[in-house]
Amino acid sequence: EVQLVQSGAEVKKPGESLKISCKGSGYSFTSYWIGWVRQMPGKGLEWMGIIYPGDSDTRYSPSFQGQVTISADKSISTAYLQWSSLKASDTAMYYCARRFSSGWYDWFDPWGQGTLVTVSS
Amino acid sequence: DIQMTQSPSSLSASVGDRVTITCQASQDISNYLNWYQQKPGKAPKLLIYDASNLETGVPSRFSGSGSGTDFTFTISSLQPEDIATYYCQQYDNLSFTFGPGTKVDIK
Repeated sequence: EVQLVQSGAEVKKPGESLKISCKGSGYSFTSYWIGWVRQMPGKGLEWMGIIYPGDSDTRYSPSFQGQVTISADKSISTAYLQWSSLKASDTAMYYCARRFSSGWYDWFDPWGQGTLVTVSS
Repeated sequence: DIQMTQSPSSLSASVGDRVTITCQASQDISNYLNWYQQKPGKAPKLLIYDASNLETGVPSRFSGSGSGTDFTFTISSLQPEDIATYYCQQYDNLSFTFGPGTKVDIK
């Protein structure tokens, strides 16, 4: 079974750093892009960026470029999303999802269960 | 960047009703459009890919159509388990955009 399992909920203070993880299993981790999606409380889905674990090629949404860093460790089939200095506005649920593409088909499936990040003083 | 809009933002319908959601892209995206369902407290789930193809295991009451800039998502007969928010999503050369979502509930 193809599965993405994310790290647990985090409570942090403004200015702190954070790295959350997304571990893939049941497929060749290095052969599929992994994307990250933000969902602020009561709001919609926002694509943040995507990484190809095979060679760490990474693309960011302009809205998130410079705000977060996406990385991957293919030796342990894990992708990461990190912040160097959190803000209260980073409070959100964060999802990872595997990108499937074939010809002109392209979608995110499956998704991780989400990691809730709360930033509060 | 390609922008996506959806309408309505929310709707309330009776069990058995036909429900239609529209999604519009700011430029021609051909058929590069997916639909996801997100139930409260859950991760999104793929329902429709490439504008009109039903994902394996998804009930046939869900369907999608359209191309270019205008797309439609339909639930032919609304069921209680369809209470969720539905998102369209475009893809273009490793750049992705979600629509703002349509919340569907039971009247």
